[in-house]
Amino acid sequence: DAGITQSPRYKITETGRQVTLMCHQTWSHSYMFWYRQDLGHGLRLIYYSAAADITDKGEVPDGYVVSRSKTENFPLTLESATRSQTSVYFCASTKRAGGTNEQFFGPGTRLTVL
Amino acid sequence: GQNIDQPTEMTATEGAIVQINCTYQTSGFNGLFWYQQHAGEAPTFLSYNVLDGLEEKGRFSSFLSRSKGYSYLLLKELQMKDSASYLCAVRDGENSGAGSYQLTFGKGTKLSVIP
Repeated sequence: DAGITQSPRYKITETGRQVTLMCHQTWSHSYMFWYRQDLGHGLRLIYYSAAADITDKGEVPDGYVVSRSKTENFPLTLESATRSQTSVYFCASTKRAGGTNEQFFGPGTRLTVL
Repeated sequence: GQNIDQPTEMTATEGAIVQINCTYQTSGFNGLFWYQQHAGEAPTFLSYNVLDGLEEKGRFSSFLSRSKGYSYLLLKELQMKDSASYLCAVRDGENSGAGSYQLTFGKGTKLSVIP
């Protein structure tokens, strides 16, 4: 039972480069989320998705693009990386209804932009 | 707007009891979550409250007062492995679809358990 995975786990890139962070879940959860976590800010929502081809902006979407062509995948792309996007990125998912609907988090990707 | 406050750091002794408070001011309310996050790891779900009162789960309990916009996480019989950050998060439930499942997180409370 793989659950929710992210790749790469660590990434170093340069300012201006395009970077894609991958997220894959095996539960067939409808809802998926991308967060960034920075010291002093906590977890902040970047984008979220209700289903394949349905995405919406969160609190801090500028500089990021998402897609969701398949239910199990939710990649996050930094179109032109900036130093301020150095952060730890977490992907999460939750099922549509029933129970507490807690979010399950992937292991995170630590991104450094030089 | 959303505002969630919790203490930045706390220290407690092994075997003791510690209470981590969380106050919130949100446009809507559809549940409060507590997550545990060890350094360098992902957050993991601890508890959920949507009605007023106390929810107990082993050594951990969580309390909610909706009228006061207040919650606490109570950790009993502290162990060294409880050293972690504890995140309070509110689901406002006011948006539609996936938006209704959005969580707004506090900045987290770093708990250090000392011998």
